[in-house]
Amino acid sequence: AAGVIQSPRHLIKEKRETATLKCYPIPRHDTVYWYQQGPGQDPQFLISFYEKMQSDKGSIPDRFSAQQFSDYHSELNMSSLELGDSALYFCASSPSGGGNTDTQYFGPGTRLTVL
Amino acid sequence: QKEVEQDPGPLSVPEGAIVSLNCTYSNSAFQYFMWYRQYSRKGPELLMYTYSSGNKEDGRFTAQVDKSSKYISLFIRDSQPSDSATYLCAMSGWIKAAGNKLTFGGGTRVLVKP
Repeated sequence: AAGVIQSPRHLIKEKRETATLKCYPIPRHDTVYWYQQGPGQDPQFLISFYEKMQSDKGSIPDRFSAQQFSDYHSELNMSSLELGDSALYFCASSPSGGGNTDTQYFGPGTRLTVL
Repeated sequence: QKEVEQDPGPLSVPEGAIVSLNCTYSNSAFQYFMWYRQYSRKGPELLMYTYSSGNKEDGRFTAQVDKSSKYISLFIRDSQPSDSATYLCAMSGWIKAAGNKLTFGGGTRVLVKP
């Protein structure tokens, strides 16, 4: 079965640079979520989109922005990168508008290293 | 204090033993409960999804939810070395119609020894 696709899988950037992470949800999934997982930590919710509109927002820095496109893929844009942004970034998708049948399926993650 | 608490382990068991994992939570708004398995440097993999209080069984996995005690459990029977991973509990509440965020426990590292 098709899974969530994330690209790139690994990314190395320097401080103050920008990075763009991409997420392609499972076909027919219309809701996308972004999570950040630091070393030895559990995933922390950043932001979600449903039908191309932002549906929820967590602890996402103002330096980060995201959007969902007409084909339901999503991009997370990160600017003025800091050392503390080094983490695994996961995208998840769910098969409906969320609500009481929300089950989220995670992609393999993008490992971002900021030097 | 975190909304969801989970013993970080590590939990070491011999092959064939029952693995018992649990989480406690403080937010009564949580209505949906999930267990994910995460191998090192991989994405979380959904194992179980439950809503109501009680038990749900799927193969070697049994999930229990006790909403009155704000306590959930996952049991893995006949554990195998391939079950060695970090197990994360996750929860969400029916706050809005779309895009409900998951709140995770810290994860329990499990090691099944041959």
